[in-house]
Amino acid sequence: QSVLTQPPSVSGAPGQRVIISCTGSSSNIGAGYDVHWYQQFPGTAPKLLIYGNTNRPSGVPDRFSGSKSGTSASLAITGLQAEDEADYYCQSYDSSLSGSVFGGGTKLTVL
Amino acid sequence: EVQLLESGGGLVQPGGSLRLSCAASEFTFGIYAMNWVRQAPGKGLEWVSSIGVGGGRTYYADSVKGRFTISRDDSINTLYLQMNSLRGEDTAIYYCARSSGLWWHLDYWGQGTLATVSS
Repeated sequence: QSVLTQPPSVSGAPGQRVIISCTGSSSNIGAGYDVHWYQQFPGTAPKLLIYGNTNRPSGVPDRFSGSKSGTSASLAITGLQAEDEADYYCQSYDSSLSGSVFGGGTKLTVL
Repeated sequence: EVQLLESGGGLVQPGGSLRLSCAASEFTFGIYAMNWVRQAPGKGLEWVSSIGVGGGRTYYADSVKGRFTISRDDSINTLYLQMNSLRGEDTAIYYCARSSGLWWHLDYWGQGTLATVSS
């Protein structure tokens, strides 16, 4: 049971927009701690996708965007492409646990 | 290009120990916090431990507290994770990752090293 809750899977057709949610609580996202998002392809290490709730590292397409409100955050992917098929994880800090926490991960399928 | 290269994984019996290393290059290792994150087979990411600049501050997930020790040697740009009293549930790929500060985003990750705990 992860501290941050993500849907196990989402799907969309090429060109569509999908949103992946990340729900936390008053000791992590709701306390104002930043949310970060990672993309992971099978057999490879995770890669930073969004940091500080809304910021994209250099090289990440602007099709990927992040937002945060209250105790939740979201990752939006527009203009879905086949190569976006991967696992996506959110991460934040939890003051009750005094450590980082990850969401359980969401598998994105491009139909 | 930033490089992080983990090593030290392998097969160990329950109750045994392993020491993981993460060799860093192409950046000023000493000014970054460092982290270990693991991923059990077919499962999600789990934060394991973090160490601040200089090594004075260390933090652990409850699942490994008292059994694992994180450390760093800035003179040779290397991060360590000493894992004792290993259990089957510790079987995972262990990734080291860099962050600009404690609890910041993990901007670079190594390729991971697999630790398998089994009799």
